[in-house]
Amino acid sequence: QKEVEQNSGPLSVPEGAIASLNCTYSDRGSQSFFWYRQYSGKSPELIMFIYSNGDKEDGRFTAQLNKASQYVSLLIRDSQPSDSATYLCAVNKPMFDNYGQNFVFGPGTRLSVLP
Amino acid sequence: DARVTQTPRHKVTEMGQEVTMRCQPILGHNTVFWYRQTMMQGLELLAYFRNRAPLDDSGMPKDRFSAEMPDATLATLKIQPSEPRDSAVYFCASGLVDRDDGYTFGSGTRLTVV
Repeated sequence: QKEVEQNSGPLSVPEGAIASLNCTYSDRGSQSFFWYRQYSGKSPELIMFIYSNGDKEDGRFTAQLNKASQYVSLLIRDSQPSDSATYLCAVNKPMFDNYGQNFVFGPGTRLSVLP
Repeated sequence: DARVTQTPRHKVTEMGQEVTMRCQPILGHNTVFWYRQTMMQGLELLAYFRNRAPLDDSGMPKDRFSAEMPDATLATLKIQPSEPRDSAVYFCASGLVDRDDGYTFGSGTRLTVV
């Protein structure tokens, strides 16, 4: 079982719809969860992070975390063509010295927002 | 706007040649990661530095790869000798270990070994 799993997509949604991106992780000791967006040919950029069970909203983005189910999701409301990118889920993994973080990345989900 | 600077942006080299990639982390950041990204494997961690000390390089092929941080403003990743399978995009990311809000990535070095 891979440490972090995501559907590779592509996930296609019409402009204005809600895009739902999902991620599962295997390490129950994981504490922090991150969503990065990566445009083709560009570097990943952080868009959201979440630590506690429940929802966290930031503008059109909502991250949802369920530690019991080892599941984290990202909702994008009012999707725009400019949201078309690969979305990477990252989960912290305790460093060998238990200080600091390492991110284990999922393979990413390609999102295509159709005008 | 603070950013992580990587050089070169692109590198094409012949198999067997030495390749050195450089990263300037954001000033004040005490943590630096090197990642490699390919279509098949996605983002893979190669090495991790905290306060310039190498703490984890278990993801790095030891026989040909080496990572150093000679000072707080420079991290390097070297491949010697390079092989075609090393072709990938290499990213550097920096951050503060005592802040749990993620890390900032550089623009990457796209390496092609022919």
